[in-house]
Amino acid sequence: AQSVTQLDSHVSVSEGTPVLLRCNYSSSYSPSLFWYVQHPNKGLQLLLKYTSAATLVKGINGFEAEFKKSETSFHLTKPSAHMSDAAEYFCVVSDTDFGSGTRLSIRP
Amino acid sequence: DGGITQSPKYLFRKEGQNVTLSCEQNLNHDAMYWYRQDPGQGLRLIYYSQIVNDFQKGDIAEGYSVSREKKESFPLTVTSAQKNPTAFYLCASRVTGGVRGANVLTFGAGSRLTVL
Repeated sequence: AQSVTQLDSHVSVSEGTPVLLRCNYSSSYSPSLFWYVQHPNKGLQLLLKYTSAATLVKGINGFEAEFKKSETSFHLTKPSAHMSDAAEYFCVVSDTDFGSGTRLSIRP
Repeated sequence: DGGITQSPKYLFRKEGQNVTLSCEQNLNHDAMYWYRQDPGQGLRLIYYSQIVNDFQKGDIAEGYSVSREKKESFPLTVTSAQKNPTAFYLCASRVTGGVRGANVLTFGAGSRLTVL
């Protein structure tokens, strides 16, 4: 059995400040983990994926995520937020178990 | 360019009517999926198909039906039995098996259904 929990339904940061979107998972085996981004009224786009290679995964648009087995976490980060990062972000475990999403807002 | 095409983008329906949402992919993907998205609830799986002429119910299949007569196509019918059909519907596909990148989902742009 497996599941994923996104700890924040909404995160708001100022432009130029760091972004942290939190994701915890549970899995009875070594999982594949993904982050997807969704802009309003659009489909989802893959940001990055982890599949048991390097624990620090770099994705598109400056995002990265670190797999921490001891903490069962896969948090998404970005050093400096841009206005275009405002969107909904989904953490996914092993293909199709979606978290409930985190809406990221960027303040000017 | 390869991708997934969903149509229509917006659809209005009267209560009691069936509607069919189209999903076509030219990615040569074996597996296709339908999700429903409601505000604050993430994505919920309605139906999925791993191969032509075969499909399985997801978590919220009641009031929906699908077919998979061709590899490229996976239409979703929202029937009058679906009590609360107003939502954003997303179709996705992926390669299956041991192929590199097999687990990544490719999404269509979605269809927004509103029941009047």
